[in-house]
Amino acid sequence: DTGVSQNPRHKITKRGQNVTFRCDPISEHNRLYWYRQTLGQGPEFLTYFQNEAQLEKSRLLSDRFSAERPKGSFSTLEIQRTEQGDSAMYLCASSSRTGYNSPLHFGNGTRLTVT
Amino acid sequence: SQKIEQNSEALNIQEGKTATLTCNYTNYSPAYLQWYRQDPGRGPVFLLLIRENEKEKRKERLKVTFDTTLKQSLFHITASQPADSATYLCALDIIDTDKLIFGTGTRLQVFP
Repeated sequence: DTGVSQNPRHKITKRGQNVTFRCDPISEHNRLYWYRQTLGQGPEFLTYFQNEAQLEKSRLLSDRFSAERPKGSFSTLEIQRTEQGDSAMYLCASSSRTGYNSPLHFGNGTRLTVT
Repeated sequence: SQKIEQNSEALNIQEGKTATLTCNYTNYSPAYLQWYRQDPGRGPVFLLLIRENEKEKRKERLKVTFDTTLKQSLFHITASQPADSATYLCALDIIDTDKLIFGTGTRLQVFP
């Protein structure tokens, strides 16, 4: 079990640029989640996948955000035309989710700074 | 509206004492409640899960209670150590949804 891996760990970008983050979940996990966390707050749900299907997307997620999980393995989160308000830690988590009781295994996140 | 509240102020306690953290929720009907630990710059790490029909769950020095009438969970760390210093997050796992909703977390500082 190598854990959930996220890349890059840090990203600094200028306002208006596009950024893409990658998440590699634990290999046997079929569920993958994206959360966003700002300083002093808990993680906020963004979206999740079961295998390659995106099952839910938060209303917090504007149309500048898109996530994919082709082939049900790794996932990417893209933010287009970044804004300073997008600065946050973006966390990915996976679970085996055989019922409503499986814990989430988180990666160490990608910290985005928009200047 | 739905809300999960944890003490926003940091909890400072002396080594060896019991730390008690509170998680209150409103307008939710959780099937499960989970507790996570988060260290600075790292992702949350799962600690304990408790079901709605369980009153208490223990794991080593950790104890969680779940009162669905009060809509509250308490998280206890006995014989606390400086290494327990971290932010602790509660999360609700709500039936018929497939996501965890997190509280804001409480920062615990254990000093020698």
